[in-house]
Amino acid sequence: EAGVTQSPTHLIKTRGQQATLRCSPISGHTSVYWYQQALGLGLQFLLWYDEGEERNRGNFPPRFSGRQFPNYSSELNVNALELEDSALYLCASSFGGSGTDTQYFGPGTRLTVL
Amino acid sequence: GDSVTQMEGPVTLSEEAFLTINCTYTATGYPSLFWYVQYPGEGLQLLLKATKADDKGSNKGFEATYRKETTSFHLEKGSVQVSDSAVYFCALMANQAGTALIFGKGTTLSVSS
Repeated sequence: EAGVTQSPTHLIKTRGQQATLRCSPISGHTSVYWYQQALGLGLQFLLWYDEGEERNRGNFPPRFSGRQFPNYSSELNVNALELEDSALYLCASSFGGSGTDTQYFGPGTRLTVL
Repeated sequence: GDSVTQMEGPVTLSEEAFLTINCTYTATGYPSLFWYVQYPGEGLQLLLKATKADDKGSNKGFEATYRKETTSFHLEKGSVQVSDSAVYFCALMANQAGTALIFGKGTTLSVSS
């Protein structure tokens, strides 16, 4: 069974640009979560989507946004990039919409902002 | 709010040594507890989990027991291998809708032959 996939693997942008990261969940999973793993800050929850709706959001500014498509894949958009947005962005998926099911992670997208 | 505290690393061991990585948590109610592992350059892999008190999660020789009385979920392995070198994250998830995983800061394990 295919796991969670993410693209691209690496992304290099400059300050002020926009970045788009993509995630495909495990087949049958309807929930997608986004986390940021920045150096020195650990893993922090960004966004949770289920059935096409944003269900919960972490303590991040509105320039971090995303969406979930009818096939349950998801996109994370980061606008007006800042240097401190450089991080590994991890996507996870789970069954159902209760928000309490086990989350399975993808390999991540390494975003570098110059 | 809810939080997870892990022992500071790095932990350096010789092959076949016994491993313990301490993890304690603060949470209201009865969270589910997880250990994830991150190998160099990769994402997180679920290692094991426990969903209620006294449950023992186990996988690949690793095990951890959910201890509500001490709010702990320590990770153990009887005999580590070089291939176990990675970063280990303890995490909790409150058993209510709308919550996300809360992670500890991670413990780096380095095993030498």
